[in-house]
Amino acid sequence: DTAVSQTPKYLVTQMGNDKSIKCEQNLGHDTMYWYKQDSKKFLKIMFSYNNKELIINETVPNRFSPKSPDKAHLNLHINSLELGDSAVYFCASSPSTTGYEKLFFGSGTQLSVL
Amino acid sequence: DAKTTQPTSMDCAEGRAANLPCNHSTISGNEYVYWYRQIHSQGPQYIIHGLKNNETNEMASLIITEDRKSSTLILPHATLRDTAVYYCIVRVADTGNQFYFGTGTSLTVIP
Repeated sequence: DTAVSQTPKYLVTQMGNDKSIKCEQNLGHDTMYWYKQDSKKFLKIMFSYNNKELIINETVPNRFSPKSPDKAHLNLHINSLELGDSAVYFCASSPSTTGYEKLFFGSGTQLSVL
Repeated sequence: DAKTTQPTSMDCAEGRAANLPCNHSTISGNEYVYWYRQIHSQGPQYIIHGLKNNETNEMASLIITEDRKSSTLILPHATLRDTAVYYCIVRVADTGNQFYFGTGTSLTVIP
């Protein structure tokens, strides 16, 4: 079984649309994250949730809204998609936010906004 | 978190040791050094981490200088599957402190 799984793997959509990316982890971890990797391959953290509570919210437009129905899931909803949102989005999890935990990443969702 | 500096790219012959350097001259006493790698079209993968002492696991070895201002990740016998971007990250092990990935080193293992 995949430890951190996200769907869909590819997402092609028009500007102005609303889309969601789902993420689930079966590792029993307390903390989940969303990272964005742009065309220059910079990997930047967007959000961090610990036990369903938002911990980190980097400078991300309000159009991005994470939702964590339980600690095993962290979905990312994006409203009014823009061309600049095209990127690969990675979900990740870790046992907690403290200490020296490893991050476990999903395989990514490649979002293309046309 | 302290900033890291890595070479943009490196080549290594298959079967030889790959030594990937990282400078972190502004590292503070409570910051750990982590290494992750990202193989094309996949999510980053944890390799190893350390604070002061050298570390070894089944994937690699981490050598940290005595002043902790630099470190080297060693892949003892590089294979073609080790071709990836390798990220060196320094991070305080503390609540809410996140992993900030830099540009990394693109390692190409050559047959």
